[in-house]
This record gives sequence, C-alpha cells and structure tokens, in this order.
Amino acid sequence: DTEVTQTPKHLVMGMTNKKSLKCEQHMGHRAMYWYKQKAKKPPELMFVYSYEKLSINESVPSRFSPECPNSSLLNLHLHALQPEDSALYLCASSQEGLAGGYGQFFGPGTRLTVL
Amino acid sequence: KQEVTQIPAALSVPEGENLVLNCSFTDSAIYNLQWFRQDPGKGLTSLLLIQSSQREQTSGRLNASLDKSSGRSTLYIAASQPGDSATYLCAGYGGATNKLIFGTGTLLAVQP
Repeated sequence: DTEVTQTPKHLVMGMTNKKSLKCEQHMGHRAMYWYKQKAKKPPELMFVYSYEKLSINESVPSRFSPECPNSSLLNLHLHALQPEDSALYLCASSQEGLAGGYGQFFGPGTRLTVL
Repeated sequence: KQEVTQIPAALSVPEGENLVLNCSFTDSAIYNLQWFRQDPGKGLTSLLLIQSSQREQTSGRLNASLDKSSGRSTLYIAASQPGDSATYLCAGYGGATNKLIFGTGTLLAVQP
C-alpha cells in the first residue's frame, strides 16, 4: 500500500464550529506533515511529526491543533477558524524525518471552506 | 533564505512536442530534489526523486536532472500528451532549514 488517504474530501464549516481532518498512511513512514495550499500557490508547511512527536510548528495559529495518535495516523483539529483559512489542506508522509532522502508522498487533500 | 523559481510560469504546447521545465534555487546547498505533478484541486503526485548521489532520474517519458553546482534542475517531458496537462512543482531538500522548499510551479497545457 503506497497511499496516503485523507478524510473528508470536502468540509464546509462555520467560524464557531469544531471539526477535524484525518490522514492515514500504511507505508511504515515515521514522519508525517500537514501543509496548507491556497489557490495558485505552492504548499506551505504547517506541522511536522517525526516518530510521533511534534518536531516543527511553523508558527501556526492555535486554532489549528495537530495530533498524532500513532505512527499511521495524523489529525488536524480545527476550532474558531476564519474565512481566510479556507484552503486545500494536504497531508504527507516520508520514510524518515526532514532529511528527505526518500521523498515525501502526499494525500489527495481536504478542501476546506470556512463561512 | 532558500527561494525556488520555476520557468516558465505557464506553457502551452501542441500534443507530441518535447518540452523542458526549469527549476532554480538561490542556495545551491540542496541535496535531494523531487518533482511533483498536481491536477486542479487535487493532491501532489510524486514523479521523480533525485537523491544526493544522483544526477538524474528517468521514469517513462519523464527525465529529471540536477546540477547542484549551479542550483538548477530540469524536467524533460517527451512526446507530450493532453493527459500531461497539470501544474508541475519542483521541491528541494537541504539548505539551512532542511525542509522541503517548493518552487513557484509551471502550469502546463498540452493541446490535442
């Protein structure tokens, strides 16, 4: 299985809602990532988990809360988001941490719309 | 700060043409480079990974090369097809941040 899966594919939420994005991989990768991508822009790194520990937080607002329950799962909890947070949220995994020797592999993304 | 530029930003070609996409880094201290394809509203599909000990990689009609001394990479697509239409992103590892730094992307349209 060489796939990263993400659920849901689409999410519409109000600014007072609490929702979660889910990412799963079964490639035995030990690093997992969350990226945010706005239209016509490259992905921007948000968080990195390495061996189930948060290793990088790119100064992301606290309304985004990541969680890594185990080595195969990565969640992104959302609360009190703003309309400007509407974007494509991408999950990725890699065999090891940031060294990048084996590349990163991305999921299909969750299209988030905040009303 | 590492910056990655892709030229051209957009490209439209007739089917069957061979084409070259370019990627350049301001900091040539990268050691791995990955090319991705992204269809509209979709995730990134990894095309090729050039590791630090390699100078190029090939997969089917795609060939990617990396010249670390000049901080440049090229993606060559042979005999282009309408199905190749997508945005192509290069991304490098290394430098001061040791993170994956993305290029600005090339939007490719192959006309039937």
